[in-house]
Amino acid sequence: GDSVTQTEGPVTVSESESLIINCTYSATSIAYPNLFWYVRYPGEGLQLLLKVITAGQKGSSRGFEATYNKETTSFHLQKASVQESDSAVYYCALGGNYNQGKLIFGQGTKLSIKP
Amino acid sequence: AQTIHQWPVAEIKAVGSPLSLGCTIKGKSSPNLYWYWQATGGTLQQLFYSITVGQVESVVQLNLSASRPKDDQFILSTEKLLLSHSGFYLCAWSRRQPNERLFFGHGTKLSVL
Repeated sequence: GDSVTQTEGPVTVSESESLIINCTYSATSIAYPNLFWYVRYPGEGLQLLLKVITAGQKGSSRGFEATYNKETTSFHLQKASVQESDSAVYYCALGGNYNQGKLIFGQGTKLSIKP
Repeated sequence: AQTIHQWPVAEIKAVGSPLSLGCTIKGKSSPNLYWYWQATGGTLQQLFYSITVGQVESVVQLNLSASRPKDDQFILSTEKLLLSHSGFYLCAWSRRQPNERLFFGHGTKLSVL
């Protein structure tokens, strides 16, 4: 079936260090997968961080980057230098090219940044 | 700007009691609407979606029902809660096109005792 697996949290990183949250997916019933990273900051709702709908492309937002790799079925989230404000729960998600808004989410990775 | 308001923020309910959760979207006409649910320790999964007033499709069977009585309103309900209904419920909307990003509400935390 379709599924998403991401780095199990919680993850703690020191400020200004680099970050990678791994995400791999299986899209057996989705012909053209779309990949997303959503984030929930403390006290806020879940919101889109970045999305990529074409294999081989890279998405970026707020200093984060993720590349859609069809060969390795991965969509890892990276940031070169994290800030305290990046503390949040990050969700990798898989969607398809249809109008039902169905996203397959990973389990979420709680990220804490040490000042 | 579009806003999504979800209510209540949290509920503590007894097994067998009824439940009604709601959300309202302002500033966007004819949105697609969705209910998602995350059990404690589980992953977010879609429960229902609606692309127009009065029409709701069920994605996962959990002894819950949903209705869309108005273009901007989405209701999740059940007449008898189960322990397994505990978790976090999220309402979301998107534009009526494929691949569109979802905009989520702040969610309702439900504890069934």
